[in-house]
Amino acid sequence: DTEVTQTPKHLVMGMTNKKSLKCEQHMGHRAMYWYKQKAKKPPELMFVYSYEKLSINESVPSRFSPECPNSSLLNLHLHALQPEDSALYLCASSPLAGDTGELFFGEGSRLTVL
Amino acid sequence: AQKITQTQPGMFVQEKEAVTLDCTYDTSDPSYGLFWYKQPSSGEMIFLIYQGSYDQQNATEGRYSLNFQKARKSANLVISASQLGDSAMYFCAMRAMDTGRRALTFGSGTRLQVQP
Repeated sequence: DTEVTQTPKHLVMGMTNKKSLKCEQHMGHRAMYWYKQKAKKPPELMFVYSYEKLSINESVPSRFSPECPNSSLLNLHLHALQPEDSALYLCASSPLAGDTGELFFGEGSRLTVL
Repeated sequence: AQKITQTQPGMFVQEKEAVTLDCTYDTSDPSYGLFWYKQPSSGEMIFLIYQGSYDQQNATEGRYSLNFQKARKSANLVISASQLGDSAMYFCAMRAMDTGRRALTFGSGTRLQVQP
């Protein structure tokens, strides 16, 4: 079983809805990531949090709003999404020091925007 | 900037045979790490193996080995004794090791199908 837990596993929302994706890890990792993966494509980085502070934003539209309330939790708030935002959203975590840099991924949240 | 290239969109292999998945990369970072991940249809990215740019020996993890040729900038994954459960998407990835940017950059992936 993965040590990074993502909820919900599936989400269907309309373009006017507000929803959130949640990610949780209890490995003591201080870096957390959001990736977006379209069908048959590789994951693309969206955001990185280091020590609960946003360190990388890959020019993601403001309709995606990340939040890291504590070292174990990472949220992605969704508002006014477009159908082209339908994708698998992967959360990952990693230690910040003394390691190879391996990222631990969750199973993803599969989002459909109608 | 980093770039990862996987030129094999799809590969077939017979059960119990070995298969090599190709990966080439380009980077200006003097120190970097190379990774392989497996993604089954469930969606989870499963870490398989890691190779550091300064490692003298090729990495091995069970049935997985990484054929690292630094001069050619290649990091091919070798899976020995393929199993039906190996059918999945495989991604090569890399990151710089000397910078604060710890995020991975992924190649386009290779879909492996193991046939009985």
